[in-house]
Amino acid sequence: GAVVSQHPSWVICKSGTSVKIECRSLDFQATTMFWYRQFPKQSLMLMATSNEGSKATYEQGVEKDKFLINHASLTLSTLTVTSAHPEDSSFYICSAIRDRDYNEQFFGPGTRLTVL
Amino acid sequence: AQSVTQLDSHVSVSEGTPVLLRCNYSSSYSPSLFWYVQHPNKGLQLLLKYTSAATLVKGINGFEAEFKKSETSFHLTKPSAHMSDAAEYFCVVSSLYSSASKIIFGSGTRLSIRP
Repeated sequence: GAVVSQHPSWVICKSGTSVKIECRSLDFQATTMFWYRQFPKQSLMLMATSNEGSKATYEQGVEKDKFLINHASLTLSTLTVTSAHPEDSSFYICSAIRDRDYNEQFFGPGTRLTVL
Repeated sequence: AQSVTQLDSHVSVSEGTPVLLRCNYSSSYSPSLFWYVQHPNKGLQLLLKYTSAATLVKGINGFEAEFKKSETSFHLTKPSAHMSDAAEYFCVVSSLYSSASKIIFGSGTRLSIRP
């Protein structure tokens, strides 16, 4: 159990377009999901915490108007990269918490975004 | 405040020899500590976790880690390395039940295995 999926697994888009990435908890309900980005050969950087039914909490330095997060249900959070630019190219990973008693996150497989 | 430091950016060992990946942390609250492994272009897989139970934690694929509060360490070990262990390893500290809830990733250690 505790499987998290992401869609798409990779996407290539033109500069100026918007891209939506979905994160789903397949077999559990997730009141809290997290979005990370990872540059090549670097660690994961937490972008925002997504709470079901409320506004996301963004980390310092992350533009909330650039990276729109919607957590509309207990099994789905979406990240929309608006007006994408080449510097937004990265590996985006989501995670979800199943049981808050254990602080454990379950990670999705990631989405590779390339902006031309 | 919380932080996590992985002391080695790259570790290289021969197949069949022991593995040691070092992690030190600081936390103002009772932390939960995790080790994750990431293979190239893949998501993260949990190896093991410490959540204030037994200080010696056994994980998957023969890995284990020992929580040492006096040394603020949570080093990852494996008695005998296998070629398939070559990957990036991340030490993570989290404390989601404080007013300063944070999830902090270490910078990662790349493990290479020599034949």
